[in-house]
Amino acid sequence: EVQLVESGGVVVQPGGSLRLSCAASGFNFDANIMHWVRQAPGKGLEWVSLISWDGGNTYYGDSVKGRFTISRDNSKDSLYLQMNSLRTEDTALYYCAKDRGNWVFDYWGQGTLVTVSS
Amino acid sequence: DIEMTQSPSSLSASVGDRVTITCRASQSISNYLHWYQQKPGKAPKFLIYAASTLQSGVPSRFSGNGSGADYTLTINNLQPEDFATYYCQQGYSVPLTFGGGTKLEIK
Repeated sequence: EVQLVESGGVVVQPGGSLRLSCAASGFNFDANIMHWVRQAPGKGLEWVSLISWDGGNTYYGDSVKGRFTISRDNSKDSLYLQMNSLRTEDTALYYCAKDRGNWVFDYWGQGTLVTVSS
Repeated sequence: DIEMTQSPSSLSASVGDRVTITCRASQSISNYLHWYQQKPGKAPKFLIYAASTLQSGVPSRFSGNGSGADYTLTINNLQPEDFATYYCQQGYSVPLTFGGGTKLEIK
């Protein structure tokens, strides 16, 4: 059974930093592209970032480019999102999602909540 | 960036009805169009990929159609568990983008 478990979400002040983690199991993690997708309270879904199977290629949404960094450790079946220069508009539930191919999200974690507030 | 526009943003229907949700891309996305269902407090669930292919386990009352820039999600014979919010997503190019969502409510 595929499982994705996010962690690391907390309350942080504007301008602060945070690192999210996603622990994966039940599939060949090192064979899959992985994504972060977020959802602000009461709002729709927003794609944040993706990383290739080997970490060699990364892409970001315009709203986080230059501030967030996606990475992975295939030896630990883990995905990460380093978030710097956080803004109030980054407040959201952050989901880790597995890619089934062609940039389709076939499995999602339950999310970890990041709140940026003073 | 490719903009995805969903309509309607909300929809009221009854059990047994047939409903159609529309998703329009700002350019042709060559069937790289996928659909998700989200219930309150839950993660999104993957329903359909490549415009019309149902994910394993998704009931056959769900169907997807379309080409170019215009796509639809149709649900026949609505069941109580279908009342949720539906999102389309384009997988044609990065940045990947979602439609704004369609909230399907019980009439």
